Amino acid sequence: AAGVIQSPRHLIKEKRETATLKCYPIPRHDTVYWYQQGPGQDPQFLISFYEKMQSDKGSIPDRFSAQQFSDYHSELNMSSLELGDSALYFCASSHGTGNTEAFFGQGTRLTVV
Amino acid sequence: SQQGEEDPQALSIQEGENATMNCSYKTSINNLQWYRQNSGRGLVHLILIRSNEREKHSGRLRVTLDTSKKSSSLLITASRAADTASYFCAVTGGFKTIFGAGTRLFVKA
Repeated sequence: AAGVIQSPRHLIKEKRETATLKCYPIPRHDTVYWYQQGPGQDPQFLISFYEKMQSDKGSIPDRFSAQQFSDYHSELNMSSLELGDSALYFCASSHGTGNTEAFFGQGTRLTVV
Repeated sequence: SQQGEEDPQALSIQEGENATMNCSYKTSINNLQWYRQNSGRGLVHLILIRSNEREKHSGRLRVTLDTSKKSSSLLITASRAADTASYFCAVTGGFKTIFGAGTRLFVKA
């Protein structure tokens, strides 16, 4: 069965550079969530989209932005990268919201040097 | 905040024993989910329990939900070394799912 696809799997960037992470949800899933997980930390909710509109916002820095496209894939854009942005970034998708389970991708490991 | 908070933070048991992890949360929820994560890897969905359900089973997993106490527990029976991982509860309300700090389970062979 198709799963949530994230690309790239690994990314190394220098401070002050920009990065774009991509997420391809499971077919027919209309909701996408982004999470950031620092070393030894629990996943922190960043932002979510439902039917291509931002549906909720968590602890996403102003330097980050995201959107969901017409094909339901989503991109997380990160600018002016800082060392503290080094983390695993997970995308999850679900069909609808509320009482549906979210399926996670394998994550993108971003290292800022 | 809706954040799930889990205890214990770390648990070490022998293979064959049962492992119980607890999760508490603060606000009303639509559902509560448990996930497993091996070190540095993705989150694997284990089980979802809806707010109107009290108990759910899946294989060696048993999840309970007490909405009056805003708490849930995950029981893994007859644990195996391969169960060694971090286990997170996540509560969903509206358009976001919030994760707790996780319990690190170590099953000794």
